[in-house]
Amino acid sequence: SQTIHQWPATLVQPVGSPLSLECTVEGTSNPNLYWYRQAAGRGLQLLFYSVGIGQISSEVPQNLSASRPQDRQFILSSKKLLLSDSGFYLCAWSPQGRPQHFGDGTRLSIL
Amino acid sequence: GESVGLHLPTLSVQEGDNSIINCAYSNSASDYFIWYKQESGKGPQFIIDIRSNMDKRQGQRVTVLLNKTVKHLSLQIAATQPGDSAVYFCAEVLGRATNKLIFGTGTLLAVQP
Repeated sequence: SQTIHQWPATLVQPVGSPLSLECTVEGTSNPNLYWYRQAAGRGLQLLFYSVGIGQISSEVPQNLSASRPQDRQFILSSKKLLLSDSGFYLCAWSPQGRPQHFGDGTRLSIL
Repeated sequence: GESVGLHLPTLSVQEGDNSIINCAYSNSASDYFIWYKQESGKGPQFIIDIRSNMDKRQGQRVTVLLNKTVKHLSLQIAATQPGDSAVYFCAEVLGRATNKLIFGTGTLLAVQP
């Protein structure tokens, strides 16, 4: 069966520090991969998606970037975090035309 | 831009009652919709989906209804249990290749014992 892993579960970072969040999927090949951010009590906002290795589409202008160095690995990064980058970050995967399945997220707090 | 929205931000029901969560969408080109359940501190969990060539789909204790005429989607939960307490999101799928989801803001379902 397919599983998705996100880490770390929680992260506290100072303003101006770099960020790297990792997401990996097991049990499937060539999945679509997604990064979302969720503010407290709100819906999910799509940040990036990828339909293949090295293929990244950005949905909103921001202080973040994404990379897909391997088929089942998706990384969310920042060179310098802002206070506004705080939130709950979720990774998801899907086969084409099927529902997305989500990881358990990373709670990011910027101090 | 086009979006998916929910009518009721909070719904409180008694244990054992039926729950109905509503959702309005605006993108008439969408042909696939999904309901997710999100418990506190966790990622959304798939509940049920429906394609636009259907107007009803049933799962275990859940039913999704789709009214394309008025662009309305609903999730019905039968015999609501305390474990059903969560935030429920409807999502609209845009593009079969990318499978991008547009989420609404969510409805909090609170089940009273």
